[in-house]
Amino acid sequence: SAVISQKPSRDICQRGTSLTIQCQVDSQVTMMFWYRQQPGQSLTLIATANQGSEATYESGFVIDKFPISRPNLTFSTLTVSNMSPEDSSIYLCSVEDDDRGTYEQYFGPGTRLTVT
Amino acid sequence: DAKTTQPPSMDCAEGRAANLPCNHSTISGNEYVYWYRQIHSQGPQYIIHGLKNNETNEMASLIITEDRKSSTLILPHATLRDTAVYYCIVALDSNYQLIWGAGTKLIIKP
Repeated sequence: SAVISQKPSRDICQRGTSLTIQCQVDSQVTMMFWYRQQPGQSLTLIATANQGSEATYESGFVIDKFPISRPNLTFSTLTVSNMSPEDSSIYLCSVEDDDRGTYEQYFGPGTRLTVT
Repeated sequence: DAKTTQPPSMDCAEGRAANLPCNHSTISGNEYVYWYRQIHSQGPQYIIHGLKNNETNEMASLIITEDRKSSTLILPHATLRDTAVYYCIVALDSNYQLIWGAGTKLIIKP
C-alpha cells in the first residue's frame, strides 16, 4: 500500500495567517483527497485533487479559503488561508492506490492545526 | 449525511472476537460496504470492503446479510491495539466520496 507523509505534523498559528500543508506519497497516484477532522468529530472531505486539473471542492469549502496544488503524481499541498479559531482541526490527505486496482484509500498521519 | 448507522461504542475482552454491526438499509445495488478504523492520533486505516459476498483478509472478516441492509465486521482475536473508532461506509466503487459517519468506538479490555 502507498505510504503517505505530511508536513508539518502539527502547528500553532495566529488568526489571520495562512498555513500550507504538504502531502507526499511514495508512489504515483491519480487521486488525492484532502479531509478535515474537527475535534471529536468524523472526517469531512474538503476536495479531490487530480494532477493537471483544478481541485474539486465539496459543498461548504471554497478555493479562496483552501487553495490546493497538485504539481505532480506524488505531491499535493493544501493551504488554510486567513485562519480563524474555527479552522482548528486535523487535516488529512489520502490517496487511492492505483497499483491495487481497487478503491480503498490510504491516509497520511494528519496535520494537527491550532489557531489562536 | 452518512448512509450507515453504527452503535456509538462497544467493549470487547482481549482475545475474544469483536463483532461490530452496521446498518445500511438504503444501500443501492452497486454500492460497496467499506470499513476503516482510526486509532487515536493517527490517520484512518483501510480494513476491508465487500459488495455481496462475505470477505476475509488478514485483518478481519466482513459478513454482509443477503438483503445487504446490514453487515458485521469481525475481528477474530481482538488485541489491545485494536482499540479504535471503526467506520462503516457505503460508497460506489467508482465514487471516491466516502461519507464518514460517527463510527463505533471499540475499546478492547484486558
